[in-house]
Amino acid sequence: NAGVMQNPRHLVRRRGQEARLRCSPMKGHSHVYWYRQLPEEGLKFMVYLQKENIIDESGMPKERFSAEFPKEGPSILRIQQVVRGDSAAYFCASSPKSRLNTNYGYTFGSGTRLTVV
Amino acid sequence: EDQVTQSPEALRLQEGESSSLNCSYTVSGLRGLFWYRQDPGKGPEFLFTLYSAGEEKEKERLKATLTKKESFLHITAPKPEDSATYLCAVQGVYNDMRFGAGTRLTVKP
Repeated sequence: NAGVMQNPRHLVRRRGQEARLRCSPMKGHSHVYWYRQLPEEGLKFMVYLQKENIIDESGMPKERFSAEFPKEGPSILRIQQVVRGDSAAYFCASSPKSRLNTNYGYTFGSGTRLTVV
Repeated sequence: EDQVTQSPEALRLQEGESSSLNCSYTVSGLRGLFWYRQDPGKGPEFLFTLYSAGEEKEKERLKATLTKKESFLHITAPKPEDSATYLCAVQGVYNDMRFGAGTRLTVKP
């Protein structure tokens, strides 16, 4: 069981470019969550998805950010026209049940560290 | 709004020196309080879920307790391999997990 796989581990983008972050959940997990972590700050919730559905995107900036979790393939977090303030570690997590079922803690990936230069 | 405050920000212990980490929270309808461990360059690793005041859970040298306003993570006779950042999170009725900024623990041999 490979766990939650995120790639790339490190991503460098120039201001104005697009960043695409990928997340493959654990086998058997159909619920995916994206978080952002800035240095010395806690993890901030961005979006919660199930296959082909966005359940909660209340933590995602309204502009430039989007997320999807297609029927086939990994979940993608897409940041258009990146700015320096987007530099952070982005973590993906998955769970086998809905987040309403708190018997299951989330399984996190190792993150993608985005640097905007 | 759900809030989580962890203290201290950083804690340095000698091997074998027991101590506690604090997590104070406010949440609308607690569905669960979570403790995670995060090593440098890695994602958080799930440790415990606590659901109601008075509940306790243990795993090796770690013991988590919960009251209506705070949770403690007690570390008994820590070892250098316990060095990590420990994260606390709460989940309320309407929101996703809200994380604290963490306590960075260093255990010196």
